[in-house]
Amino acid sequence: QQQVKQSPQSLIVQKGGISIINCAYENTAFDYFPWYQQFPGKGPALLIAIRPDVSEKKEGRFTISFNKSAKQFSLHIMDSQPGDSATYFCAAYTTFGNEKLTFGTGTRLTIIP
Amino acid sequence: DTGVSQDPRHKITKRGQNVTFRCDPISEHNRLYWYRQTLGQGPEFLTYFQNEAQLEKSRLLSDRFSAERPKGSFSTLEIQRTEQGDSAMYLCASSSSTSGFTDTQYFGPGTRLTVL
Repeated sequence: QQQVKQSPQSLIVQKGGISIINCAYENTAFDYFPWYQQFPGKGPALLIAIRPDVSEKKEGRFTISFNKSAKQFSLHIMDSQPGDSATYFCAAYTTFGNEKLTFGTGTRLTIIP
Repeated sequence: DTGVSQDPRHKITKRGQNVTFRCDPISEHNRLYWYRQTLGQGPEFLTYFQNEAQLEKSRLLSDRFSAERPKGSFSTLEIQRTEQGDSAMYLCASSSSTSGFTDTQYFGPGTRLTVL
């Protein structure tokens, strides 16, 4: 059972543009939503995270938008750079309890000059 | 201690052999997780420890898999009688859990297993 759905599977954005990746979840017990960035051959690295009590969180060029009623959240990368080319995973878990991360299927982002 | 470390980074083995991986978490973290990631997929949970206690195991973890965290610090993941389907990246993550609240998980670089 896939509890976190992620789209698109791949994304090509021109340098300087905005990259947008979307996720939707099913389990209403989830209360923490991190995004991870992964380069080939490396482990996932935490990029930014949000709790459902806020609708938006911004850190530098990265912004998470969160819609609790729709059970959706998205990552926006402003002024996308070639160094942002990587695979991005949204994830979710419950902070109180035994919780393991449930990941989306990933988005391969390519930034072209 | 700058992060989660894993050893080895790469392992090639023949089908039927046993392999063991090691994970050293961030030193102050009491929770340690193992995930498996196959090509083009997100990581999937295998098991996790709070200190030395193994609290949950996924159904993905067949009886050929065993994990330990004997002193609540480093952990090992052993796969017995490896099969080609075990080929994957095995990721370790750690986090801090206090009073029931679990903080963000930080991942190691992973161990890439190839079973021939």
